[in-house]
Amino acid sequence: DGGITQSPKYLFRKEGQNVTLSCEQNLNHDAMYWYRQDPGQGLRLIYYSQIVNDFQKGDIAEGYSVSREKKESFPLTVTSAQKNPTAFYLCASSPGQREAFFGQGTRLTVV
Amino acid sequence: GESVGLHLPTLSVQEGDNSIINCAYSNSASDYFIWYKQESGKGPQFIIDIRSNMDKRQGQRVTVLLNKTVKHLSLQIAATQPGDSAVYFCAVSAGTALIFGKGTTLSVSS
Repeated sequence: DGGITQSPKYLFRKEGQNVTLSCEQNLNHDAMYWYRQDPGQGLRLIYYSQIVNDFQKGDIAEGYSVSREKKESFPLTVTSAQKNPTAFYLCASSPGQREAFFGQGTRLTVV
Repeated sequence: GESVGLHLPTLSVQEGDNSIINCAYSNSASDYFIWYKQESGKGPQFIIDIRSNMDKRQGQRVTVLLNKTVKHLSLQIAATQPGDSAVYFCAVSAGTALIFGKGTTLSVSS
């Protein structure tokens, strides 16, 4: 099936740990995005990449890092510098200036 | 930068009514607009989009209206059904990433 796959669906992180969220797409889309969603809030842009080996910071990039070594993959690392990482993380991809297709999300909880 | 706001965080309607959800944006250079539906615990799903060279676009039971003069966007859902209950987001782009509003929770009672 074509689509965007995020894993894991649920993730628990201890204080001070780095964790990496996976996002893979087989839609052959050039652009990929990471958003964070807090309860009752909209989606806030963390990072985006419009081409392999290039990415830009979004509105809330502090405490996060990304890489785009392959067109189909855009992993997000939540570092220990992110003081409030508990949230729902959504990855999306887009063929250009068209609608973004979303994965089913990863719910990260700090324990 | 772009900011996107909604007029109402919640909207309650009766089954069969028409629903209207509104959105305002700030950047006059924005040229692409989308409405998404999000059900609990899932990723947003595309509903309908419109580009800045249009002011109205219709889909199945949904219509998007764009007023560039006042930078306002609306989603109209005809004959609202219980399955339409969800959070609705508008998203706006000026050529790069989509910027999202905070969402309107639509509750449909039968």
